[in-house]
Amino acid sequence: EPEVTQTPSHQVTQMGQEVILRCVPISNHLYFYWYRQILGQKVEFLVSFYNNEISEKSEIFDDQFSVERPDGSNFTLKIRSTKLEDSAMYFCASGSEYEQYFGPGTRLTVT
Amino acid sequence: QKEVEQNSGPLSVPEGAIASLNCTYSDRGSQSFFWYRQYSGKSPELIMSIYSNGDKEDGRFTAQLNKASQYVSLLIRDSQPSDSATYLCAFNAGNMLTFGGGTRLMVKP
Repeated sequence: EPEVTQTPSHQVTQMGQEVILRCVPISNHLYFYWYRQILGQKVEFLVSFYNNEISEKSEIFDDQFSVERPDGSNFTLKIRSTKLEDSAMYFCASGSEYEQYFGPGTRLTVT
Repeated sequence: QKEVEQNSGPLSVPEGAIASLNCTYSDRGSQSFFWYRQYSGKSPELIMSIYSNGDKEDGRFTAQLNKASQYVSLLIRDSQPSDSATYLCAFNAGNMLTFGGGTRLMVKP
């Protein structure tokens, strides 16, 4: 059964550094999403991406964040200058405009 | 502010019993509702989607939707210890999922 994959599984970075989180969505899906979950808190929407452009973004998704689909298979989330409060699990999801299937996540630790 | 409310639990049921999980939502315009299961340290896994009022059954799971009351529920029949997890309710509004905080279910052998 096809799955969303994410790399790396764990990323440790210093405050102020740039990180890129990578995702390979399920191949026939057209909608792509990023969510995050701070430890012990709700899953929070960051951004949705369709037809090579952002379709929705939350207040969390400020100028420090960007997304890209550099080729036909990868979908990336870049955080330009990480802050301590960016430490969280970051989940990529893909699907239709209705159902969304989540990848295993990248644990980002900012020190 | 669009919200989803869930009792955080834990909800403890004996093996073989029916577990009943409930959720209310604030956005009257929502059309799509979902239940995800999340094991500790893992990602959310989609287990049920429901779009119209009434019941939807899939194996041991039944989702119930009442749009007038803004209420969604999930019943798990013949609960197994492997069902022990946090169950997240979510709705889709404007191409984004809004999640509740989840209900932790514990199924005791």
